Order: sequence, then C-alpha cells, then structure tokens
Amino acid sequence: EPEVTQTPSHQVTQMGQEVILRCVPISNHLYFYWYRQILGQKVEFLVSFYNNEISEKSEIFDDQFSVERPDGSNFTLKIRSTKLEDSAMYFCASREDGRTSGGFADTQYFGPGTRLTVL
Amino acid sequence: GQNIDQPTEMTATEGAIVQINCTYQTSGFNGLFWYQQHAGEAPTFLSYNVLDGLEEKGRFSSFLSRSKGYSYLLLKELQMKDSASYLCAVTGAGGSYIPTFGRGTSLIVHP
Repeated sequence: EPEVTQTPSHQVTQMGQEVILRCVPISNHLYFYWYRQILGQKVEFLVSFYNNEISEKSEIFDDQFSVERPDGSNFTLKIRSTKLEDSAMYFCASREDGRTSGGFADTQYFGPGTRLTVL
Repeated sequence: GQNIDQPTEMTATEGAIVQINCTYQTSGFNGLFWYQQHAGEAPTFLSYNVLDGLEEKGRFSSFLSRSKGYSYLLLKELQMKDSASYLCAVTGAGGSYIPTFGRGTSLIVHP
C-alpha cells in the first residue's frame, strides 16, 4: 500500500539554524500539506500546496517558513531560523485531487512525522 | 471561529464497547474525519462522514448528525492496541478542505 514518507525521523538543531524537513507524498496525489503537533497539543495546520504554489496557510506559517516541491516526488518544509518554540512533531500529508466534497478523495494520508528539537 | 470539543480522556475494559463523542461549531461543513494516533506516531485515517447516519467498518463505527453538530466514534470488542488518541477533525470550515482538529481523546484500554 502506498504511503507518505518523511526524513529525517528526528532532527536536533541549535536555535537560529536552518532546517529542511523532507517528505515524499503518495505518487498520484496532488495536494500536499504540512502540520505540526507540539507535544501534548493538537495537530495544527501550517500550509497546503497545489499546482506548485501555496493554496492556503495558517497564521503559524510566517516568513520563517517556506515550502518547495523541488522535483516530481519531494515536498520540503524549510524553517530559516529556528526558535525554541518550533520544537514539535512535523507531519506531511497528501491527498488526491478531490474537487467534489463527499468523496474519500478528501482524505489526507499522513507521513510518520519528523520530530524537531530546537536547543 | 471554529470549535471542536472532545473529552480529554476515557478509560475502558478490554472486550467492552466505548463511544467517543465530538461536537463542533464551525462556519461551514464538508465532512468529519476520525483519526487514530498512537503516541509518537502519525494520525491514521479511520473514517469520514459526510451525510447523517452511521458508517460501520469492522469494529469501528462513526455517526454524524449535521443538524446537531455532533459525531461519535464507536469502538467494539476493545483490544489493548486500541489504546491511543482519537482525533475528530472537520473540513469545510470557511469553505476550506483543510481539516480543523480537535484536541483528541486519549483512550486507555485496561485488562
């Protein structure tokens, strides 16, 4: 069964450093997402990406964050200058191109996550 | 604003049935997801309800009442491996397909 993959599984970095989190979405999916989950808290949406551009982003996704699809398979999240409060689990997700509501194409499939620790 | 409420924690006995409730108040609604999340792992898809009624899938069933802004996840024949957090998420708030997640319900299954 196809699945979303993410690398690395764990990333430890110093405050102020740049990190790049990588994701390989399911191959026939067209919508891509990044979420984060601070330990013990709820899953929070960061950004969605479709057709090589950001389609939606949350208030969390400020100028320190950027996303890119550098080739036909990878989807990356870059944090330019990490802060202590960026420590969290970062999940990538993808879904099919489901334009009509009510279909299972709305379903997002999550990768295993990258645990980011900022010291 | 968007508001999704779930109980924080529930406990149940192996072999029993448990119902996890979710209520929502959102500006728009497309559908409601239930995800299971084991500690330190990714959310995994359980169910998706768009229309009112009960959807059954093996040991798990999910119910939706759009008029009441209410859903529940029913887990039967509980197993120890069902100990996890169960996340309710709503799409369609503000016309978006982005799911808005509740805080999750931590289910503890004991022998």
